[in-house]
Amino acid sequence: GAVVSQHPSRVICKSGTSVKIECRSLDFQATTMFWYRQFPKQSLMLMATSNEGSKATYEQGVEKDKFLINHASLTLSTLTVTSAHPEDSSFYICSARDPGQGNTGELFFGEGSRLTVL
Amino acid sequence: KQEVTQIPAALSVPEGENLVLNCSFTDSAIYNLQWFRQDPGKGLTSLLLIQSSQREQTSGRLNASLDKSSGRSTLYIAASQPGDSATYLCAVPSNNQGGKLIFGQGTELSVKP
Repeated sequence: GAVVSQHPSRVICKSGTSVKIECRSLDFQATTMFWYRQFPKQSLMLMATSNEGSKATYEQGVEKDKFLINHASLTLSTLTVTSAHPEDSSFYICSARDPGQGNTGELFFGEGSRLTVL
Repeated sequence: KQEVTQIPAALSVPEGENLVLNCSFTDSAIYNLQWFRQDPGKGLTSLLLIQSSQREQTSGRLNASLDKSSGRSTLYIAASQPGDSATYLCAVPSNNQGGKLIFGQGTELSVKP
């Protein structure tokens, strides 16, 4: 299956700093990528849709100035958590779909990035 | 508003047993349904995708069924192994763009040797 890779897998930072997480599609070009967030013992919730060459689309309740998304190329999307605070500590997972499968094809997820803000 | 529910929340079985995980959804107008596996602290591994026109999909010891009219899907795992221990999630798209998945809370499976 298609491969989606994230980096870093774990990051610990001090409160007030910014953290960047990268998401790459390794064997296909993704015009759209999706960023999810998962709190402990909870399921995944979509945060935003990353669109190559245009602005990201954010879900209701997600602060666009807090979670900056850049889709710089067809294989790379980045999520920057700005001025991170302890409540931003979470597991962030990106996903993408091979465009050859159409809009209802299989979604592939990255390995996830565990953010801990001290 | 689509809601996805998984029962049971946790399941512990001895090795070798066949088992069924359940997933239900409130809006039957889905485009597909996807089953995932998540190991602790890891991302999601796609197991099976069932399109709305399909009744079931099989991969190795896994078989997923879909009954849209009743809003249900099941994941059948045959001859379970300790390596199957993980959390299993089902998800359906919220619209035909497919990117926004609505996830169930998951079933945490433990297979004892």
